[in-house]
Amino acid sequence: AQKVTQAQTEISVVEKEDVTLDCVYETRDTTYYLFWYKQPPSGELVFLIRRNSFDEQNEISGRYSWNFQKSTSSFNFTITASQVVDSAVYFCALSEAHSGTYKYIFGTGTRLKVLA
Amino acid sequence: DGGITQSPKYLFRKEGQNVTLSCEQNLNHDAMYWYRQDPGQGLRLIYYSQIVNDFQKGDIAEGYSVSREKKESFPLTVTSAQKNPTAFYLCASSIGDRSYQPQHFGDGTRLSIL
Repeated sequence: AQKVTQAQTEISVVEKEDVTLDCVYETRDTTYYLFWYKQPPSGELVFLIRRNSFDEQNEISGRYSWNFQKSTSSFNFTITASQVVDSAVYFCALSEAHSGTYKYIFGTGTRLKVLA
Repeated sequence: DGGITQSPKYLFRKEGQNVTLSCEQNLNHDAMYWYRQDPGQGLRLIYYSQIVNDFQKGDIAEGYSVSREKKESFPLTVTSAQKNPTAFYLCASSIGDRSYQPQHFGDGTRLSIL
């Protein structure tokens, strides 16, 4: 069965600290895609990154970095030198290529609070 | 600027009443989706549409209905059969209906019961 687990319900950090958000997934499909979205207080989900199951290269974009490890079925997200503007709910999602549907499986989200 | 517009931002429903949530996109995307978000839960798919005049039920379609008469519009009706409609509703769209396409979201409608 497909499943995405974000075990951290809420994390609080002080500005400039580094923080890692965990995402563990379950799938039987050999081809799948993983996503991270940010949901600020305004409510809109903002797309951050997509990773496919064949590409295990880590990615860095400014203060953001992502660590994809198939061996542990994890796709973790690290924010370096966090800022107050990073405060939001972050969702990890899974999409399977051969499921016959086009839906995402979302995790329950991690609320990040960055304190000044 | 291209994007997804949801209206209204806040909506109140009386008992026994149907209400319709609007979703319009000017991204020229073929696929559109409706999600429900409850506190502490991830997003759950209500309905999705791959092309005009076609749509499929998601995981929690009971008590909801949709239409897709135009490519840019995908309204969601919350019927009186939905006994627990209080939630945050998000509309999304993607270029196509492939599993690797990122979905782009509107800023949501919060529905409450009067």
